Amino acid sequence: DAGITQSPRYKITETGRQVTLMCHQTWSHSYMFWYRQDLGHGLRLIYYSAAADITDKGEVPDGYVVSRSKTENFPLTLESATRSQTSVYYCASRDRTGTELGEQYFGPGTRLTVT
Amino acid sequence: AQKVTQAQTEISVVEKEDVTLDCVYETRDTTYYLFWYKQPPSGELVFLIRRNSFDEQNEISGRYSWNFQKSTSSFNFTITASQVVDSAVYFCALSGEGDYKLSFGAGTTVTVRA
Repeated sequence: DAGITQSPRYKITETGRQVTLMCHQTWSHSYMFWYRQDLGHGLRLIYYSAAADITDKGEVPDGYVVSRSKTENFPLTLESATRSQTSVYYCASRDRTGTELGEQYFGPGTRLTVT
Repeated sequence: AQKVTQAQTEISVVEKEDVTLDCVYETRDTTYYLFWYKQPPSGELVFLIRRNSFDEQNEISGRYSWNFQKSTSSFNFTITASQVVDSAVYFCALSGEGDYKLSFGAGTTVTVRA
Protein backbone atom coordinates (compact mmCIF):
# COMPACT_ATOMS: atom_id res chain seq x y z
CA ASP A 1 0.00 0.00 0.00
CA ALA A 2 1.21 3.46 -0.80
CA GLY A 3 1.56 5.98 1.99
CA ILE A 4 2.10 5.36 5.65
CA THR A 5 0.82 2.29 7.43
CA GLN A 6 0.78 1.12 11.01
CA SER A 7 0.39 -2.33 12.48
CA PRO A 8 -1.31 -3.64 14.40
CA ARG A 9 -4.30 -1.31 14.35
CA TYR A 10 -5.51 -2.61 17.69
CA LYS A 11 -3.57 -4.31 20.45
CA ILE A 12 -4.40 -5.48 23.95
CA THR A 13 -1.51 -6.49 26.16
CA GLU A 14 -0.77 -7.09 29.80
CA THR A 15 1.27 -4.98 32.16
CA GLY A 16 4.95 -5.84 31.96
CA ARG A 17 4.92 -7.31 28.46
CA GLN A 18 7.01 -5.99 25.63
CA VAL A 19 5.06 -4.60 22.69
CA THR A 20 6.29 -3.35 19.33
CA LEU A 21 4.26 -1.05 17.12
CA MET A 22 5.25 -0.95 13.49
CA CYS A 23 5.30 1.98 11.10
CA HIS A 24 6.10 1.81 7.41
CA GLN A 25 6.14 4.58 4.79
CA THR A 26 6.57 4.27 1.06
CA TRP A 27 7.60 7.84 0.24
CA SER A 28 11.24 7.54 1.39
CA HIS A 29 10.67 10.51 3.67
CA SER A 30 13.68 11.41 5.78
CA TYR A 31 11.80 12.33 8.95
CA MET A 32 9.57 10.02 10.94
CA PHE A 33 7.75 10.63 14.20
CA TRP A 34 5.85 8.80 16.91
CA TYR A 35 3.07 10.57 18.80
CA ARG A 36 0.64 9.41 21.42
CA GLN A 37 -2.85 10.85 21.74
CA ASP A 38 -4.57 11.06 25.09
CA LEU A 39 -7.76 12.85 25.99
CA GLY A 40 -7.05 16.40 27.06
CA HIS A 41 -3.46 16.37 25.81
CA GLY A 42 -3.76 16.38 22.06
CA LEU A 43 -0.83 14.60 20.46
CA ARG A 44 2.51 14.45 22.22
CA LEU A 45 5.79 13.56 20.56
CA ILE A 46 7.49 10.42 21.85
CA TYR A 47 10.48 10.01 19.52
CA TYR A 48 11.49 11.19 16.10
CA SER A 49 14.09 10.32 13.51
CA ALA A 50 15.80 12.58 10.98
CA ALA A 51 17.21 9.69 8.93
CA ALA A 52 18.15 6.04 9.19
CA ASP A 53 20.18 5.39 12.37
CA ILE A 54 19.41 8.89 13.72
CA THR A 55 16.81 9.14 16.46
CA ASP A 56 16.04 11.62 19.20
CA LYS A 57 13.71 11.99 22.15
CA GLY A 58 10.54 13.98 22.08
CA GLU A 59 8.37 15.28 24.89
CA VAL A 60 7.40 11.93 26.49
CA PRO A 61 10.09 9.29 25.71
CA ASP A 62 10.22 7.40 29.01
CA GLY A 63 9.32 3.73 28.68
CA TYR A 64 9.74 3.68 24.90
CA VAL A 65 12.53 2.59 22.57
CA VAL A 66 12.84 3.23 18.84
CA SER A 67 15.13 2.15 16.07
CA ARG A 68 15.48 3.02 12.43
CA SER A 69 17.69 0.68 10.48
CA LYS A 70 15.86 1.38 7.22
CA THR A 71 14.47 4.67 5.98
CA GLU A 72 10.97 3.28 5.48
CA ASN A 73 10.49 1.66 8.88
CA PHE A 74 10.30 3.19 12.34
CA PRO A 75 9.19 0.68 15.01
CA LEU A 76 8.24 1.79 18.51
CA THR A 77 8.80 -0.64 21.38
CA LEU A 78 7.31 -0.51 24.84
CA GLU A 79 9.87 -2.49 26.80
CA SER A 80 7.62 -3.21 29.79
CA ALA A 81 4.12 -1.93 29.16
CA THR A 82 2.30 0.00 31.89
CA ARG A 83 -1.34 1.01 32.13
CA SER A 84 -0.34 4.66 31.66
CA GLN A 85 0.80 3.72 28.16
CA THR A 86 -2.75 2.90 27.13
CA SER A 87 -3.25 5.34 24.29
CA VAL A 88 -3.63 5.79 20.56
CA TYR A 89 -0.27 5.91 18.83
CA TYR A 90 0.30 7.76 15.58
CA CYS A 91 3.26 7.52 13.28
CA ALA A 92 4.02 10.38 10.90
CA SER A 93 6.54 11.26 8.24
CA ARG A 94 7.66 14.21 6.18
CA ASP A 95 10.35 14.92 3.66
CA ARG A 96 13.55 16.80 4.42
CA THR A 97 13.29 18.99 1.33
CA GLY A 98 11.58 22.31 1.50
CA THR A 99 11.11 24.43 4.57
CA GLU A 100 9.67 23.59 7.91
CA LEU A 101 6.39 24.68 6.39
CA GLY A 102 5.88 21.23 4.93
CA GLU A 103 3.22 19.21 6.63
CA GLN A 104 3.54 15.84 8.30
CA TYR A 105 1.57 12.89 6.97
CA PHE A 106 0.03 10.64 9.57
CA GLY A 107 -0.67 6.94 9.69
CA PRO A 108 -4.08 5.56 10.71
CA GLY A 109 -3.07 5.02 14.33
CA THR A 110 -2.70 2.03 16.66
CA ARG A 111 -5.04 1.75 19.63
CA LEU A 112 -3.11 0.09 22.46
CA THR A 113 -4.72 -1.07 25.68
CA VAL A 114 -2.58 -2.25 28.57
CA THR A 115 -4.49 -4.28 31.15
CA ALA B 1 9.60 25.65 24.96
CA GLN B 2 6.66 25.82 22.64
CA LYS B 3 3.06 25.70 23.76
CA VAL B 4 -0.25 25.66 21.95
CA THR B 5 -3.50 26.38 23.75
CA GLN B 6 -6.94 25.62 22.42
CA ALA B 7 -9.24 26.95 25.10
CA GLN B 8 -12.43 25.64 23.54
CA THR B 9 -12.94 21.99 24.42
CA GLU B 10 -16.20 21.48 22.54
CA ILE B 11 -18.32 23.51 20.14
CA SER B 12 -21.76 22.51 18.95
CA VAL B 13 -23.50 24.29 16.08
CA VAL B 14 -26.39 23.80 13.73
CA GLU B 15 -25.63 23.14 10.09
CA LYS B 16 -24.86 26.27 8.03
CA GLU B 17 -23.63 28.22 11.03
CA ASP B 18 -20.07 29.51 11.02
CA VAL B 19 -17.60 28.02 13.48
CA THR B 20 -14.46 29.77 14.71
CA LEU B 21 -11.79 27.81 16.54
CA ASP B 22 -9.33 29.67 18.72
CA CYS B 23 -5.63 28.89 18.95
CA VAL B 24 -3.05 30.74 21.01
CA TYR B 25 0.61 29.81 20.87
CA GLU B 26 3.84 30.52 22.70
CA THR B 27 7.30 30.34 21.19
CA ARG B 28 10.65 32.08 21.50
CA ASP B 29 11.51 31.45 17.87
CA THR B 30 11.33 34.35 15.46
CA THR B 31 10.55 31.94 12.63
CA TYR B 32 7.87 29.37 13.20
CA TYR B 33 5.11 27.53 11.42
CA LEU B 34 1.47 27.02 12.32
CA PHE B 35 -0.86 24.27 11.18
CA TRP B 36 -4.43 23.09 11.55
CA TYR B 37 -5.28 19.40 11.38
CA LYS B 38 -8.68 17.70 11.35
CA GLN B 39 -9.42 14.36 12.99
CA PRO B 40 -12.80 12.94 11.93
CA PRO B 41 -14.47 10.13 13.93
CA SER B 42 -12.56 7.57 11.84
CA GLY B 43 -9.39 8.69 13.58
CA GLU B 44 -7.05 9.72 10.81
CA LEU B 45 -5.33 13.10 10.96
CA VAL B 46 -5.88 15.28 7.94
CA PHE B 47 -3.78 18.33 7.19
CA LEU B 48 -5.88 21.45 6.52
CA ILE B 49 -3.85 24.64 6.43
CA ARG B 50 -0.45 26.10 7.30
CA ARG B 51 1.11 29.48 7.74
CA ASN B 52 4.64 30.71 8.45
CA SER B 53 5.41 33.49 10.88
CA PHE B 54 6.46 35.91 8.16
CA ASP B 55 3.14 35.83 6.42
CA GLU B 56 0.28 37.37 8.34
CA GLN B 57 -1.96 37.57 5.33
CA ASN B 58 -5.26 35.98 6.10
CA GLU B 59 -6.72 33.76 3.42
CA ILE B 60 -9.79 31.88 2.47
CA SER B 61 -9.73 28.43 0.97
CA GLY B 62 -13.18 27.21 0.10
CA ARG B 63 -15.16 27.18 3.35
CA TYR B 64 -12.02 27.48 5.45
CA SER B 65 -10.38 30.73 6.47
CA TRP B 66 -7.82 31.69 9.05
CA ASN B 67 -6.82 34.75 11.00
CA PHE B 68 -3.16 34.90 11.98
CA GLN B 69 -2.17 37.73 14.33
CA LYS B 70 1.40 37.79 15.64
CA SER B 71 0.60 40.66 18.00
CA THR B 72 -1.73 38.42 20.00
CA SER B 73 -0.02 35.10 19.14
CA SER B 74 -3.24 33.76 17.74
CA PHE B 75 -4.02 31.56 14.76
CA ASN B 76 -7.78 31.21 14.61
CA PHE B 77 -9.58 29.01 12.11
CA THR B 78 -13.10 29.47 10.74
CA ILE B 79 -15.39 27.07 8.95
CA THR B 80 -18.06 28.94 7.03
CA ALA B 81 -21.50 27.44 6.50
CA SER B 82 -20.70 24.32 8.49
CA GLN B 83 -21.80 20.89 7.35
CA VAL B 84 -22.34 17.65 9.24
CA VAL B 85 -19.17 16.26 7.65
CA ASP B 86 -17.22 18.98 9.45
CA SER B 87 -17.88 17.20 12.75
CA ALA B 88 -14.41 16.29 14.01
CA VAL B 89 -11.67 17.17 16.43
CA TYR B 90 -9.54 20.06 15.20
CA PHE B 91 -5.95 20.48 16.28
CA CYS B 92 -3.76 23.53 16.08
CA ALA B 93 -0.02 22.78 15.91
CA LEU B 94 3.25 24.71 15.98
CA SER B 95 6.68 23.94 14.57
CA GLY B 96 9.77 25.94 15.43
CA GLU B 97 12.68 27.16 13.36
CA GLY B 98 14.97 24.39 12.12
CA ASP B 99 12.72 21.92 13.84
CA TYR B 100 10.26 19.61 12.15
CA LYS B 101 8.63 18.54 15.38
CA LEU B 102 5.02 19.54 15.97
CA SER B 103 3.60 20.77 19.26
CA PHE B 104 -0.15 20.22 19.33
CA GLY B 105 -2.95 21.87 21.24
CA ALA B 106 -5.40 19.69 23.15
CA GLY B 107 -7.94 19.89 20.34
CA THR B 108 -11.46 21.26 19.94
CA THR B 109 -14.32 18.88 19.26
CA VAL B 110 -16.76 20.34 16.76
CA THR B 111 -20.22 18.84 16.43
CA VAL B 112 -22.41 20.02 13.59
CA ARG B 113 -26.06 19.08 13.99
CA ALA B 114 -28.37 18.70 11.01
